[in-house]
Amino acid sequence: AQTVTQSQPEMSVQEAETVTLSCTYDTSESDYYLFWYKQPPSRQMILVIRQEAYKQQNATENRFSVNFQKAAKSFSLKISDSQLGDAAMYFCAYRSPGLNYGGSQGNLIFGKGTKLSVKP
Amino acid sequence: DTEVTQTPKHLVMGMTNKKSLKCEQHMGHRAMYWYKQKAKKPPELMFVYSYEKLSINESVPSRFSPECPNSSLLNLHLHALQPEDSALYLCASSIVSPGHNSGANVLTFGAGSRLTVL
Repeated sequence: AQTVTQSQPEMSVQEAETVTLSCTYDTSESDYYLFWYKQPPSRQMILVIRQEAYKQQNATENRFSVNFQKAAKSFSLKISDSQLGDAAMYFCAYRSPGLNYGGSQGNLIFGKGTKLSVKP
Repeated sequence: DTEVTQTPKHLVMGMTNKKSLKCEQHMGHRAMYWYKQKAKKPPELMFVYSYEKLSINESVPSRFSPECPNSSLLNLHLHALQPEDSALYLCASSIVSPGHNSGANVLTFGAGSRLTVL
């Protein structure tokens, strides 16, 4: 079974600085998908970034980028120029390639989350 | 419309009550999901509907009864719940694509319904 580990329960960053959130995973599959979701106090889970395992190029979305190390099974999230609105719980998630329509093989497996605080 | 709307936002119920949570999306997504999230924990999958048919039930107790009356609506009927069922219930939806690529499909989540069982 696949597992996702986030070893940092809490992180803090100064506004405008850069912070990196760690995520490691365990899988025997060669193809899969990795996600970072953000959950602010408003409770809604918001997709931050997605990475396909078969792509060697690291995904980037504006101030958010990942460092995907497939051999090390590591998928860290870097937030540059941190803003107050970035304060939230961040979840790393793994998803197998689907074999059926919406089947369990495609279920999102979440890590325990990292709570990010941004100091003004 | 790029939203998943959940109602009510908050619900307090007794252990003998019957209530329902509602989820709606108009993005044309044909997969819909219920997740349960306890405080300071990640979401846990409960049910998946694909093309309005229940495809996944993660061994959820029968006091939770899902229903997908059409492609835009997903309900979760609650009956005889226990205090430990108090949690945030998240609904999500996604497109459905065949075979290998469905894992890439992004889930769009609602803001959740906060349930308290007294």
